[in-house]
Amino acid sequence: NAGVTQTPKFQVLKTGQSMTLQCAQDMNHNSMYWYRQDPGMGLRLIYYSASEGTTDKGEVPNGYNVSRLNKREFSLRLESAAPSQTSVYFCASRGSASGNTIYFGEGSWLTVV
Amino acid sequence: SQQGEEDPQALSIQEGENATMNCSYKTSINNLQWYRQNSGRGLVHLILIRSNEREKHSGRLRVTLDTSKKSSSLLITASRAADTASYFCATVGSSNTGKLIFGQGTTLQVKP
Repeated sequence: NAGVTQTPKFQVLKTGQSMTLQCAQDMNHNSMYWYRQDPGMGLRLIYYSASEGTTDKGEVPNGYNVSRLNKREFSLRLESAAPSQTSVYFCASRGSASGNTIYFGEGSWLTVV
Repeated sequence: SQQGEEDPQALSIQEGENATMNCSYKTSINNLQWYRQNSGRGLVHLILIRSNEREKHSGRLRVTLDTSKKSSSLLITASRAADTASYFCATVGSSNTGKLIFGQGTTLQVKP
């Protein structure tokens, strides 16, 4: 039982490049989330998916797109990366069995130069 | 905008002392949760307190919630060096859509 798995763990992009962060959970959770964490800013919600087939914007959605590919997978795409998107990205999931507890992946460190 | 604000931003104590961190939030909530993050790692859930609860305990952790003041506190008793980490409060709104909004966190250093 791996929990929440994110890839890649580290990535350096040039401004304007695109990339997709992958996230998968093996806990049969309905809800999945993407957060970004910046120094002194805590975690800010980018997008979330309450269930398979649905996605909603969070606090800071601009510059990102998401896909809830199936119940297990929730990907985050940067179409044209900008230096302001340099951050640590966390995927998370929640299921009815876990109540309101959210389980996090280990993070993806993204640098845009 | 972020929901929670935490106080203090940084706290340094000696091993064996108690550590208290506070969190304030802005809107009505369904529940409030505390998470811990070790440097370079993901967040780990510590404890959840529902809006109709006032106090909750889990091992050396004690959480209080005052909905009239829209604030919560996390007390870690008899701290250990291994408690060194960042601690975040997070709230789920009263509509309980599952969106978890985080505060900025308190960085705790426990000196051996």
